Amino acid sequence: QVQLQESGPGLVKPSGTLSLTCAVSGGSISSSNWWSWVRQPPGKGLEWIGEIYHSGSTNYNPSLKSRVTISVDKSKNQFSLKLSSVTAADTAVYYCARASGEISYYMDVWGKGTTVTVSS
Amino acid sequence: SYVLTQPPSVSVAPGKTARITCGGNNIGSKSVHWYQQKPGQAPVLVIYYDSDRPSGIPERFSGSNSGNTATLTISRVEAGDEADYYCQVWDSSSDHPDWVFGGGTKLTVL
Repeated sequence: QVQLQESGPGLVKPSGTLSLTCAVSGGSISSSNWWSWVRQPPGKGLEWIGEIYHSGSTNYNPSLKSRVTISVDKSKNQFSLKLSSVTAADTAVYYCARASGEISYYMDVWGKGTTVTVSS
Repeated sequence: SYVLTQPPSVSVAPGKTARITCGGNNIGSKSVHWYQQKPGQAPVLVIYYDSDRPSGIPERFSGSNSGNTATLTISRVEAGDEADYYCQVWDSSSDHPDWVFGGGTKLTVL
């Protein structure tokens, strides 16, 4: 079955750019699914960051839109997240997830998550 | 944007029934999805489209949605059900799609 694995630096300096990659295995990123990033600050709830389709179409959370870029690399079967101008408030566990459904969507496959700390 | 409201905590004795609510304006007109998250783990989908269960999820987990409240019901609660539960809707009412999560409910098994 499809599995997702996040990777990237666990420590990012304030004002820097957070960069993460999600590798898709057991399936194709070119399937009829959207691919999302979700984060969870320590002790808090889930926050959707944005999503991408294999065509390159994207949707972003309006509260983060000015700082977020999500891209896809079909040759490597992976997608990536860049979050610029980070602050301590961006410290969180970052998850990648697969979106499924029709008319309404849900996340049926999740990566294990990766912890990113913003600190000097 | 659309807001989902969950109680911060629910407590239940083993073997009893737990009900976790998710409130939203006319939420009955939307499809609600539920996730279970145990400490240190990624969320797991337990209910989608209000009441459907993914394969591998016990029949003890069920869902309903009407009016302004969606409900996740866990029957014959076990110690292993202790976790945070999140409701979610996909809102397309604005000019862009939006994934909305509730604030989460911590289920404690007494």
